[in-house]
Amino acid sequence: DADVTQTPRNRITKTGKRIMLECSQTKGHDRMYWYRQDPGLGLRLIYYSFDVKDINKGEISDGYSVSRQAQAKFSLSLESAIPNQTALYFCATSRRGRKLFFGSGTQLSVL
Amino acid sequence: DQQVKQNSPSLSVQEGRISILNCDYTNSMFDYFLWYKKYPAEGPTFLISISSIKDKNEDGRFTVFLNKSAKHLSLHIVPSQPGDSAVYFCAATRRTNFGNEKLTFGTGTRLTIIP
Repeated sequence: DADVTQTPRNRITKTGKRIMLECSQTKGHDRMYWYRQDPGLGLRLIYYSFDVKDINKGEISDGYSVSRQAQAKFSLSLESAIPNQTALYFCATSRRGRKLFFGSGTQLSVL
Repeated sequence: DQQVKQNSPSLSVQEGRISILNCDYTNSMFDYFLWYKKYPAEGPTFLISISSIKDKNEDGRFTVFLNKSAKHLSLHIVPSQPGDSAVYFCAATRRTNFGNEKLTFGTGTRLTIIP
């Protein structure tokens, strides 16, 4: 089983819909992150959480929200999806900010 | 403001030759640097790292060099193999007493190894 699991792997949705991407980890790490990857722009940080009660905005948090339901679970929500949120989304974990371990990604398409 | 830059979007290298991937950074507070490798349909995986107290770190075929005065690091792969074909991301962070700050990634370089 994967240490960092993202669901769903692929999602197609329509403009204006609410969508949630979920991430769970079995590594016991304290820190969790959401990144998006766009061609030519690399990996950009959306939100990160250093523990259950600590949530921080990243570089591109507008239009997104997150919930850290437990140490092992970190979900990303798009309250009203728009086409420029079409991207590959990655969840990652780390212990005290050392090496990040990534999930396999969620390809999201907003039509 | 792109604090970590990879100016070559793509690179092609013959199998067996050396691959050199470059990365520049602007934030002088960064003191720990990492390279990640990404295959299609997979998440990035950690490859190698270097602390600012060193100027070189080796792990098998992979060597990372750090030039602090130039704010430049490079990843050397020798010899290059077809399985090295992937996108490589450079990343940087700053260490604190509470652990590292969040990673800042570059835009990536797609490496293609030609058989």
